[in-house]
Order: sequence, then structure tokens, then C-alpha cells
Amino acid sequence: DAGVTQSPTHLIKTRGQQVTLRCSPKSGHDTVSWYQQALGQGPQFIFQYYEEEERQRGNFPDRFSGHQFPNYSSELNVNALLLGDSALYLCASSLAAGGSYNEQFFGPGTRLTVL
Amino acid sequence: QKEVEQNSGPLSVPEGAIASLNCTYSDRVSQSFFWYRQYSGKSPELIMSIYSNGDKEDGRFTAQLNKASQYVSLLIRDSQPSDSATYLCAVQRGAQKLVFGQGTRLTINP
Repeated sequence: DAGVTQSPTHLIKTRGQQVTLRCSPKSGHDTVSWYQQALGQGPQFIFQYYEEEERQRGNFPDRFSGHQFPNYSSELNVNALLLGDSALYLCASSLAAGGSYNEQFFGPGTRLTVL
Repeated sequence: QKEVEQNSGPLSVPEGAIASLNCTYSDRVSQSFFWYRQYSGKSPELIMSIYSNGDKEDGRFTAQLNKASQYVSLLIRDSQPSDSATYLCAVQRGAQKLVFGQGTRLTINP
């Protein structure tokens, strides 16, 4: 049973550049959530995708955008990178039909460094 | 007031003892509660979920939920050095976002 996968593992960019991160959910899952985790902090919710639409969004600027494909995989795009965007970006997958019993499983993450 | 609060630690416990981790939350309509373990440099791993008041046991782990007091805890019995990690408490309303505490760093001393 394949777990959640993310690519790339590490990424180094310079300020002002754009980045795309990718995620494939756990087999059988249809919902993808993205989180940003700064060093020493808990993950912060960016947004969640279900049925190819953004279902919920956290307090992140419009520079952060996403997409979900028909096969449930997802991309996170960040434009005009700032130094403060340096963080571990986590993708979590879940099954919408779980309702309130909605366990989210995380991928290995992408470590983004902005110089 | 933060939505989910945890003592950041570090919490130091001798090997074989019980480690007790605590979490409080502010949203009274929260329905689902989770504990994740995160090793340094790795991603969070789900270790316990709890939805009803009371205790839920899984091996050496016991999660406790008290919705009236808005309090969730995790007990780790017979602590092992491999339990040394950061433990994240997460709270959820419906099938929506997880709201995390900042995590408690736990060290098990041999």
C-alpha cells in the first residue's frame, strides 16, 4: 500500500522566484491538504483540495496557490518567494467519506530554502 | 489565546517510566483529536486518534480526552529511547483543517 509521496525532497531557490511542489496521496484517498512547518513550530494549514477544488484555505497570501488533478495528486505553487517562505512543506492525504473520522497522513515533506 | 496549546518542553523522562504529554484547545466544537510523533528532520507520523470522552489505548500509548475541560493528553508507558521525539497535538472540526500545537519535545534518558 503506497503511502503519501512528495517531490522534490529538497529545493533551494532565490528570492522572487517561483516554485512548484508535488504530492501523490495515499492509495484510496481523495483529499489533499498542504501545511507549512517552520523550524520549531507546529504545521500551519495552507489549503485543502477535494474534487479538484480548493475546499478550505488558511491565512496564507495569494502567492500560495494549488491544484488537484483527476487522479487526486496535487501541486502547491508559491510565487515571488520571500526569505520567510523557507520551511518544510507537508502534504497530507485523507478520505473525505471519513467525515468526522478524518485521519490525515503526511508525506515526507519538501524542505524549501529561499536565499 | 492560541487555538491549541502544548508545553514546548523539553520533557525529560527516564527509560521505563510513564511520559505524560498534555494539550488544551479553545474551539469547543472541535470533534476530532490526534497525536502525531515527529522525529527530527522527518514528517509527522499519526500515532493516536480519539473522538469521544475517555481513554483510548493502543499498545504502550493511551490517549485521554475531556471535552468539558477542553483537554487532551497522551500517556506513553514503559518509555523507550526510541520514543524521544516531538509530539504534536492536533485538533479538527469536521473533515477540515488540522490545527496543531507547537509540539512538546520529549527525551527518554537511558
